[in-house]
Amino acid sequence: EVQLVESGGGLVQPGGSLRLSCAASGFTFSSYAMSWVRQAPGKGLEWVSAISGSGGSTYYADSVKGRFTISRDNSKNTLYLQMNSLRAEDTAVYYCANLAEGLTSAGYYYYYMDVWGKGTTVTVSS
Amino acid sequence: EIVLTQSPDFQSVTPKEKVTITCRASQSIGSSLHWYQQKPDQSPKLLIKYASQSFSGVPSRFSGSGSGTDFTLTINSLEAEDAATYYCHQSSSLPYTFGQGTKLEIK
Repeated sequence: EVQLVESGGGLVQPGGSLRLSCAASGFTFSSYAMSWVRQAPGKGLEWVSAISGSGGSTYYADSVKGRFTISRDNSKNTLYLQMNSLRAEDTAVYYCANLAEGLTSAGYYYYYMDVWGKGTTVTVSS
Repeated sequence: EIVLTQSPDFQSVTPKEKVTITCRASQSIGSSLHWYQQKPDQSPKLLIKYASQSFSGVPSRFSGSGSGTDFTLTINSLEAEDAATYYCHQSSSLPYTFGQGTKLEIK
């Protein structure tokens, strides 16, 4: 069974740091790009970051660029999100998701999030 | 950044009714548009990928259509368990974006 389990959330003061982890199982982790998506209380979904299967390419939303770092350890089947200089507006449930790849009839690749973890809650407050 | 605008924001519907949710992109995204269902206190679940391809295990009453800038999620013969918030999502270009969500309430 494909499974993603996030951990590392908690209460942190503004300006503080936190590292989230996402443990993957049931699939060949290194073959898939991965993503973090967050959801503030009572709000919609916001894409945060993505990383290629090898870890060589990383992408960020402007709202977190320069403060958050995505990484992965394929030997441990684990995805990470290092969050620094945290702000109140970073308060959210953070989900990790598998970025599956599809191929169109024209030969183009597209990506979609087919498996999601249950999320871990980050609260930034003094 | 590509903005996705869903309509309606909220809809109250009765069981067995047909529901249509639309998602409009601020620029053409081809068919790189996906639909998710999120029930309270649960993580999102993929329903439709690449505009119209049903994801494995999703009931056949869910279907998607569209391309370019206008997309539709249709739920035929709504069931009580379909009460949820539905999101569209584009992966045509970074940053990936989501629609604001459409909340379905079952009367």
